[in-house]
Amino acid sequence: DQQVKQNSPSLSVQEGRISILNCDYTNSMFDYFLWYKKYPAEGPTFLISISSIKDKNEDGRFTVFLNKSAKHLSLHIVPSQPGDSAVYFCAASPTGTASKLTFGTGTRLQVTL
Amino acid sequence: KAGVTQTPRYLIKTRGQQVTLSCSPISGHRSVSWYQQTPGQGLQFLFEYFSETQRNKGNFPGRFSGRQFSNSRSEMNVSTLELGDSALYLCASSSGQTLGAFFGQGTRLTVV
Repeated sequence: DQQVKQNSPSLSVQEGRISILNCDYTNSMFDYFLWYKKYPAEGPTFLISISSIKDKNEDGRFTVFLNKSAKHLSLHIVPSQPGDSAVYFCAASPTGTASKLTFGTGTRLQVTL
Repeated sequence: KAGVTQTPRYLIKTRGQQVTLSCSPISGHRSVSWYQQTPGQGLQFLFEYFSETQRNKGNFPGRFSGRQFSNSRSEMNVSTLELGDSALYLCASSSGQTLGAFFGQGTRLTVV
């Protein structure tokens, strides 16, 4: 039972454009959501998080949107840079903190020149 | 500020053996969580320790255990290793508040 789903295994975006990565979840107990970036053979790098009491959080080029009624969140990267090329995971927690995370299967983002 | 440190980085063990992995969290972080990453199952939560007590637990068999010391360093132990335990084991530390969990580089365990 995949409680956190990233339905797009890959995404290709031109440098300077917006990258939009999507994530859906099924467990209504999830109340804290995070996005991570990962390179092969390394641990995930934390990017941004959002609590269920908010619908938007921004940090520099990264913005996360949460639609609780649709059980959907998205990560917007503007503008996209070649260094953003990596696998992106969304994660969700039922504890209100960054613990007991359930991860999606990841979306590979490639930013082309 | 030093990041999350996991040792060793690589490990090869034989079926039936046991293994202990170590994780030193970011200074000041009291929560340490362990995750297993495999190609088939992705990243899965094992357990979390906070102030030397197991606070949350995932759906793994009892062969997987852990502990946390008073300095917040944590160890994970896997007994009676099986081939399917081959994975990247990741440790994450957090302050316990609504911020991110920060991951170490992981320990790559291969069971032969």
